[in-house]
Amino acid sequence: DIQMTQSPSTLSASVGDRVTITCRASQSISSWLAWYQQKPGRAPKVLIYKASSLESGVPSRFSGSGSGTEFTLTISSLQPDDFATYYCQQYHSLWSFGQGTKVEIK
Amino acid sequence: EVQLVQSGAEVKKPGESLKMSCKVSGYNFGNYWIGWVRQMPGKGLEWMGIIYPRDSDSRYSPSFQGQVTLSVDKSISTAYLQWSSLKASDTAMYYCVTVNGYFNYWSQGTLVTVSS
Repeated sequence: DIQMTQSPSTLSASVGDRVTITCRASQSISSWLAWYQQKPGRAPKVLIYKASSLESGVPSRFSGSGSGTEFTLTISSLQPDDFATYYCQQYHSLWSFGQGTKVEIK
Repeated sequence: EVQLVQSGAEVKKPGESLKMSCKVSGYNFGNYWIGWVRQMPGKGLEWMGIIYPRDSDSRYSPSFQGQVTLSVDKSISTAYLQWSSLKASDTAMYYCVTVNGYFNYWSQGTLVTVSS
């Protein structure tokens, strides 16, 4: 099984901040990584796929980078709508998710 | 527009069976694998299994193998997730998803509560 580890688990930030979330895989997954956003009471929504490709309709302030075992999701200027929980997911070998990173208001 | 619409919330007792549905529209049902994801209360996302509608080929996460069964009815573009004997620990939100490598479309989710 491929284990995915996100850091931090919780992140406090203000509107306008640049925010970075890290995801590490227990073995190389090439670029087969997606990022999802989930708001309370809602289904997750994909933001990024193949490590750095922006899903259609997702604001350009979201970006992803990395390959192999280390990946990052960056929000260039945090907006009020971005306070949510973010999950990474590998799809190199079956599927597995990170434990999530909650972005909360500072 | 691709839509996945699940059946409504369920309240069950331990030991009861359940079959929930996920109706797909907006694309050819046979073109993509359908997956299922569990989210226990206050917890993260867990992949349960996937099924290919054209031939019902299924793959299960080791954590869910033998615990649930996936099926489809191609005639009505609907996928199913079923349990033969629910436990209290099956209390969770369940989502169906389309699989394009990653999970690109998600349903609204079905909340299952198992309590005596």
